[in-house]
Amino acid sequence: GEDVEQSLFLSVREGDSSVINCTYTDSSSTYLYWYKQEPGAGLQLLTYIFSNMDMKQDQRLTVLLNKKDKHLSLRIADTQTGDSAIYFCAESIADNFNKFYFGSGTKLNVKP
Amino acid sequence: DVKVTQSSRYLVKRTGEKVFLECVQDMDHENMFWYRQDPGLGLRLIYFSYDVKMKEKGDIPEGYSVSREKKERFSLILESASTNQTSMYLCATLGGGGPEQFFGPGTRLTVL
Repeated sequence: GEDVEQSLFLSVREGDSSVINCTYTDSSSTYLYWYKQEPGAGLQLLTYIFSNMDMKQDQRLTVLLNKKDKHLSLRIADTQTGDSAIYFCAESIADNFNKFYFGSGTKLNVKP
Repeated sequence: DVKVTQSSRYLVKRTGEKVFLECVQDMDHENMFWYRQDPGLGLRLIYFSYDVKMKEKGDIPEGYSVSREKKERFSLILESASTNQTSMYLCATLGGGGPEQFFGPGTRLTVL
């Protein structure tokens, strides 16, 4: 499968900004996604970006895509304790079938 | 809203047992997926289905089979459960023209 890589842990203080980074290898990605997983739950889609876009903003979330470096980031402004979760980066490749490739997840810990 | 349900949240089985994990969706999506999630490894695709009775192997199909007799239901079968199949299993769907997958809450399977 394709390689999607993320760092495993990130710790921030409440009120600070969090930046979660992701790199991927396949330049034929069509969409890139950020999912959030709270303890004991499935994955919840936060946002996604089409591969011909550079940036997408949605309230406290900002996604930046650098296609040249194959780098995706998720910035969470004014991070709250409720943002503590595992964040997964994913890419989809539209070849014969829609295939998705996920990173290993970044565990975000928000300290009060 | 898309609803994806999985038959059990927690399951405990013995080595050698045949195990069925069920996933049901209510949005008429064509594509359904089974992943397993292990710490530090992210989500790995076991099987997916793009239509009734159609299935494709994912990255780690060994020890698993699937069944899709109806569009809304996708079953994952462990023919003879082994301890290394202890994991969190996540079902997802994709369809309706949208680019994002929708996930069920997951089944945490323990094989003793």
